[in-house]
Amino acid sequence: SQQGEEDPQALSIQEGENATMNCSYKTSINNLQWYRQNSGRGLVHLILIRSNEREKHSGRLRVTLDTSKKSSSLLITASRAADTASYFCATRAAGTYKYIFGTGTRLKVLA
Amino acid sequence: SAVISQKPSRDICQRGTSLTIQCQVDSQVTMMFWYRQQPGQSLTLIATANQGSEATYESGFVIDKFPISRPNLTFSTLTVSNMSPEDSSIYLCSVDEANGETQYFGPGTRLLVL
Repeated sequence: SQQGEEDPQALSIQEGENATMNCSYKTSINNLQWYRQNSGRGLVHLILIRSNEREKHSGRLRVTLDTSKKSSSLLITASRAADTASYFCATRAAGTYKYIFGTGTRLKVLA
Repeated sequence: SAVISQKPSRDICQRGTSLTIQCQVDSQVTMMFWYRQQPGQSLTLIATANQGSEATYESGFVIDKFPISRPNLTFSTLTVSNMSPEDSSIYLCSVDEANGETQYFGPGTRLLVL
């Protein structure tokens, strides 16, 4: 399969709670990126983590990368209704220019 | 980051017709990428478009069905030819950031084929 796997496929939480999404991939990578997509629109870039990094923060976002397990997680803290969206991870394999996208997690934050 | 626009933003088309989607970037870029996102699915790369050469298509996508033009370093078009309802998808173009690390996306074209 071209795609990585994300879990859960769907997640529903209350406003103020934390949301965690996981991404697994198959090959050695240069970097991994997380994107948000609102209601079938374009993708918004959230954060990039390089293969030699283990953790990155950006505002309420925290991303971890475990290259030995070929997995990454995205944590959104203190979630808001506006965080309701689909979240995708994308990996760029070493030596290529192509990104492979995960299957996505649909997050719903209830007010 | 690059600013990318796409036209049209959405369209409803009859089967058997063709639609050309335009992608404009506010800076010169080497590679432009076209993706398809079928309803409820993730993104699948259709092809990579380089200026001055033929596009490189991914497995399962062919030039006759998805001809691509790349006349200069800021513009590309994707045509969806002889459409069927299975072509109903969001089509997205994207470009790499100058340092090649981050990929940015246009707002997408939502296509419905009846």
